Amino acid sequence: ETGVTQTPRHLVMGMTNKKSLKCEQHLGHNAMYWYKQSAKKPLELMFVYSLEERVENNSVPSRFSPECPNSSHLFLHLHTLQPEDSALYLCASSQYLGRAYGYTFGSGTRLTVV
Amino acid sequence: AQTVTQSQPEMSVQEAETVTLSCTYDTSESDYYLFWYKQPPSRQMILVIRQEAYKQQNATENRFSVNFQKAAKSFSLKISDSQLGDAAMYFCAYRGPNNAGNMLTFGGGTRLMVKP
Repeated sequence: ETGVTQTPRHLVMGMTNKKSLKCEQHLGHNAMYWYKQSAKKPLELMFVYSLEERVENNSVPSRFSPECPNSSHLFLHLHTLQPEDSALYLCASSQYLGRAYGYTFGSGTRLTVV
Repeated sequence: AQTVTQSQPEMSVQEAETVTLSCTYDTSESDYYLFWYKQPPSRQMILVIRQEAYKQQNATENRFSVNFQKAAKSFSLKISDSQLGDAAMYFCAYRGPNNAGNMLTFGGGTRLMVKP
């Protein structure tokens, strides 16, 4: 266990469904991140939160909606997804934003959109 | 924008041998940080080693070491005495200077296979 827990581990959803991915850390970190990992592509940063405020959104489609209710929890709400959204979604945390090291990753949620 | 390139999609090594994974990056910064992450089948990204650009000495962590060539913008990872547990995807990553605007940028990864 790394300290960053992601649920569910696997998710299959239809294009009309609404689902949420959950990320939880109890490391005392103040920054949390969502990354998308697609086959044969570099990891793509989707969202960044620092002290529960969103600080970056890398032109992610509105069908992905993040939520950070507190510094320990991060959600990614999904609705009307497309098959090309199928990927591994990784959550990470770090003690502070703007520091060089200490990214701790979760084991990801494997999402399949059918 | 910074880019990170890993030119070897796959590499293989015999157990107990040495292998080197390549990484190049593009940046206009002089102060930055470089990382190698390992992603085994469990999918969790694990930090293997990191290098601060202002340090001339190459970082070393047990069997893992880097060859950091700042002028060439090259950052290769050497794994000595390879073990079966080293089989994984390896990602090179870059991060700019310490400020709130800089996040990790990853390369496309190299899959390392270890043959018994």
